[in-house]
Amino acid sequence: GENVEQHPSTLSVQEGDSAVIKCTYSDSASNYFPWYKQELGKRPQLIIDIRSNVGEKKDQRIAVTLNKTAKHFSLHITETQPEDSAVYFCAASLLLELSFGAGTTVTVRA
Amino acid sequence: EAGVAQSPRYKIIEKRQSVAFWCNPISGHATLYWYQQILGQGPKLLIQFQNNGVVDDSQLPKDRFSAERLKGVDSTLKIQPAKLEDSAVYLCASSLASGNTEAFFGQGTRLTVV
Repeated sequence: GENVEQHPSTLSVQEGDSAVIKCTYSDSASNYFPWYKQELGKRPQLIIDIRSNVGEKKDQRIAVTLNKTAKHFSLHITETQPEDSAVYFCAASLLLELSFGAGTTVTVRA
Repeated sequence: EAGVAQSPRYKIIEKRQSVAFWCNPISGHATLYWYQQILGQGPKLLIQFQNNGVVDDSQLPKDRFSAERLKGVDSTLKIQPAKLEDSAVYLCASSLASGNTEAFFGQGTRLTVV
């Protein structure tokens, strides 16, 4: 199956600064890369996703980039706000499976 | 639209006891996943169904865990007997099709084994 590694495990940023989370995957056949946000005690929810035929996708303050050659993808959050504090998970889809990274705990300092 | 429903929300059992979790996916979703999320870790796939057939159960500890999805709708996950290390949140998710479409998660069942 797919192996997804995510870094860093924790990230503390000043409000207004940018946050970047990076993930790598093992199987070049993976073709779908979603990012989920999980607030404390709540379910993971999709915030943005990208498919292997696209290199970059943006939605307001969040963006995702994909480098298929290097087999890594990144989440970028600009102008961070306190409500961005949460655990973020990357995932990669290989054939029928969806495999998750270990998560990054993001804390936005006021 | 209604989301993925799971019950119970919380469960505390003693080791060696049995427990069952229930999941009702979003109507029309063919794919159903059960994930185990240990505190501080990412969700780990236990089993994936496509309609009522098993797609992947390679990480399911089959000596104690079982799951079924009769009629391709609701699903139950059972642990028998439970161990201390089974303490985790069990998340059910569903998607319209296979892995390359958005998965919607339920609220999860928090299991504590004492």
